[in-house]
Amino acid sequence: AQSVTQPDIHITVSEGASLELRCNYSYGATPYLFWYVQSPGQGLQLLLKYFSGDTLVQGIKGFEAEFKRSQSSFNLRKPSVHWSDAAEYFCAVGAGSGTASKLTFGTGTRLQVTL
Amino acid sequence: GAVVSQHPSWVICKSGTSVKIECRSLDFQATTMFWYRQFPKQSLMLMATSNEGSKATYEQGVEKDKFLINHASLTLSTLTVTSAHPEDSSFYICSALSPSTDTQYFGPGTRLTVL
Repeated sequence: AQSVTQPDIHITVSEGASLELRCNYSYGATPYLFWYVQSPGQGLQLLLKYFSGDTLVQGIKGFEAEFKRSQSSFNLRKPSVHWSDAAEYFCAVGAGSGTASKLTFGTGTRLQVTL
Repeated sequence: GAVVSQHPSWVICKSGTSVKIECRSLDFQATTMFWYRQFPKQSLMLMATSNEGSKATYEQGVEKDKFLINHASLTLSTLTVTSAHPEDSSFYICSALSPSTDTQYFGPGTRLTVL
C-alpha cells in the first residue's frame, strides 16, 4: 500500500527566507506525486505534480519540487517566502490513472510566516 | 480551467435529518470523483470513489448506507449524509479527476455541523 510521510508538522520561516517542506513516500512503482496547499476553511489547490520526465518540476506561486527516487522523496521548495504563503501544505501520492488515481495524503505541514 | 464547486459551503442541521452535498466540475467532464472527510487540523481521509453511472466504491470503515453517493452525470456527484448525528460533523471535500491531466481538482469544501 502507498503511504506518505511529512515529518514536519509545523514550520515557521521569516518572510523572504527560503523554504523546504519534506515529503517521503512509499510505493512499489513509479508514483504520481502531488503538492497541494490549503488555506483555512478552504479546499485544496494544486501547486505542482510529477508523473515522469524531468525530476525538477515547477509549479504555481514560485514553488518547485524535486523527485528523488533514491531517497523516495518529493520535497517542496521556494526561494523566497511571502506572507501569503502561510497555509497548510499536503503532499500526496497516487497509484496511477483513472480509478487507480485515488490519492493518499500526508498529514500536512503548517507553514507560518513571520514578518 | 479545472474548477470544481461544492454546494452548500456550510450547513447546520438537526440530529436525525439528512443532508445532501453537491460537487460539480464546471469546465470539464469527470467520470471519476472522490469524496474526502477532514477533521480539524488533520489530513484528508478518502471516503469513497464515485464513478459516473455505477456504484461508488467505499473505503474500509465507511458506512455506505449512511453516506450515499450518486454520480448521475459527468459533471455532478452528490453525497447524502443520512440520519446525521453530531459525530458526522466535519469538513467534507470532493474532488474531480480530469481525464486529460490525470489530476484531481478539489472543491472548496462543505462544513457540516449536526446539532
